[in-house]
Amino acid sequence: SAVISQKPSRDICQRGTSLTIQCQVDSQVTMMFWYRQQPGQSLTLIATANQGSEATYESGFVIDKFPISRPNLTFSTLTVSNMSPEDSSIYLCSVEVARQETQYFGPGTRLLVL
Amino acid sequence: SQQGEEDPQALSIQEGENATMNCSYKTSINNLQWYRQNSGRGLVHLILIRSNEREKHSGRLRVTLDTSKKSSSLLITASRAADTASYFCATGTSYDKVIFGPGTSLSVIP
Repeated sequence: SAVISQKPSRDICQRGTSLTIQCQVDSQVTMMFWYRQQPGQSLTLIATANQGSEATYESGFVIDKFPISRPNLTFSTLTVSNMSPEDSSIYLCSVEVARQETQYFGPGTRLLVL
Repeated sequence: SQQGEEDPQALSIQEGENATMNCSYKTSINNLQWYRQNSGRGLVHLILIRSNEREKHSGRLRVTLDTSKKSSSLLITASRAADTASYFCATGTSYDKVIFGPGTSLSVIP
């Protein structure tokens, strides 16, 4: 398994600003992912964070809006840029450990945009 | 995009009863996983069943998978108030991505 932490745990931001969310894992992992969970909804995959190369984005998500970094095998960041109230969601990172197939999730970052 | 569909969307039962949730999906999968989420917090992994497995047990949980019908079910036996949560099925494909269904909201009344 893996222990995952996220910072911040929650934030309230103003429209037009940007927020960077950090995800730290206690062991080296191959696959890291970022999900969004809008209020009352299920999880939607934003992108796969690739170590040493650009992230792979899902349909409907673009790098300009959600830039992702992954400088090493234990850390990744997701930035939510030029925020609007529609970006109010929980953002979760997840990891897959060494082909175990199971994905483990961080506690999430609860974002409210005013 | 989401490929799983769960039913029911919401389920309310008395403590001690069994709860059954169903999940259907559309494309071929490598595995199917069930997760629990309490009050918008992080997800807890419950159980994974591979595409070549038909049934799996873990404590009070029983999961079945029917790949011919592209469906799975999660049974929680002897439910407790602490089982109150949202339950999500998620399908794993050959690209390491996990796609989530819309979820079932379970309420267990003491």
